[in-house]
Amino acid sequence: EVQLVESGGVVVQPGGSLRLSCAASGFTFDDYTMHWVRQAPEKGLEWVSLITWDGGSTYYADSVKGRFTISRDNSKNSLYLQMNSLRTEDTALYYCAKDLGYRAFDIWGQGTMVTVSS
Amino acid sequence: DIQMTQSPSSLSASVGDRVTITCRASQSISSHLNWYQQKPGKAPKLLIYAASSLQSGVPSRFSGSGSGTDFTLTISSLQPEDFATYYCHQSYSTPQSFGQGTKLEIK
Repeated sequence: EVQLVESGGVVVQPGGSLRLSCAASGFTFDDYTMHWVRQAPEKGLEWVSLITWDGGSTYYADSVKGRFTISRDNSKNSLYLQMNSLRTEDTALYYCAKDLGYRAFDIWGQGTMVTVSS
Repeated sequence: DIQMTQSPSSLSASVGDRVTITCRASQSISSHLNWYQQKPGKAPKLLIYAASSLQSGVPSRFSGSGSGTDFTLTISSLQPEDFATYYCHQSYSTPQSFGQGTKLEIK
């Protein structure tokens, strides 16, 4: 079964750091670009970041650039998001998503909740 | 950055109705436009990619069209399971972006 499982979401204070993980299974992980997408409570979807199959290229939303770092370990079929200098507006459900290859997200995880609050 | 604007923001319709949702990009995105369906408490589900290609397993009552800046998602005959929120998504350039969503409710 093709599956993505996120973990690492917690309650953290403003200015704090957090690392999210996404474990992939059921497909050849290192063939695909991967993404992080977030959704604040009762809000719409916001694209956060992408990393190409080999980790050679990464891109970020302006709202997280310089604070978040996306990475992957193809030997472990895992995607990561290092989140630093967290702000209250980073509070959201964070999804990892697989790129279909047509720059669309065909597989999504169930999400992991990050709450930034004092 | 490319802004995506969906209309309407909400829509009431009945089972069996034909429904169209529109998405407009602030600049040309060729055909790099995708549509997702999201139900409460669930992850989004890909319906249409590259403006008009139906994702595997998605019922044929869903269709997409458009190119450049104007796109539509059409549901030909609404079924009870189609009541959800729909998002368009441009993948033409980074930062990628989503529309604000269209909530489809039962009339």
